[in-house]
Amino acid sequence: DAKTTQPNSMESNEEEPVHLPCNHSTISGTDYIHWYRQLPSQGPEYVIHGLTSNVNNRMASLAIAEDRKSSTLILHRATLRDAAVYYCILRDVWNQGGKLIFGQGTELSVKP
Amino acid sequence: DAGVTQSPTHLIKTRGQQVTLRCSPKSGHDTVSWYQQALGQGPQFIFQYYEEEERQRGNFPDRFSGHQFPNYSSELNVNALLLGDSALYLCASSLGQGTLNTEAFFGQGTRLTVV
Repeated sequence: DAKTTQPNSMESNEEEPVHLPCNHSTISGTDYIHWYRQLPSQGPEYVIHGLTSNVNNRMASLAIAEDRKSSTLILHRATLRDAAVYYCILRDVWNQGGKLIFGQGTELSVKP
Repeated sequence: DAGVTQSPTHLIKTRGQQVTLRCSPKSGHDTVSWYQQALGQGPQFIFQYYEEEERQRGNFPDRFSGHQFPNYSSELNVNALLLGDSALYLCASSLGQGTLNTEAFFGQGTRLTVV
């Protein structure tokens, strides 16, 4: 299973943008990049996923490097409710219904 | 839509005992996965059920077993409990195998403490 590397923790100020990086230098051509987050005392929740092109949804944006060896999850205006552990996960397109391999994730704290 | 529901929310068991955890998937979902999350760690995949069969399995011993019912709900059974089995057990549901719409929905989890 391809691995990802994320910083252990990051801090942000409320209402400012947050850029959460993820390195995945061993990504294969059929790996999708998925992001999940886990709020305190809750199960993980899906944030966004992409393959090659940048993606936007109501929660966040995903910027994928041209060589696909790294990606960045962008929260455009952080709120206190965005404080969570963010996980970057690679998932093979042929395993779309299968397991998620979680790493340590990045713990994001948001200051008022 | 109730989402993914798990029961019980908390459980305390003694070493050597057996435990059964339950999960009801999100409405319309037919695939259920189980994860174990130790304190301070990311969730670890245990196994996945689809069409009442175990389809994928993580690196967990045979003491961990499961079942999926015709209504897609699922159980996780752990035999001969060890102190190290203390963790948050998460259930996730998704739609189908091999589909591209594979967002997984997680329940709140069952906190198991083994004493």
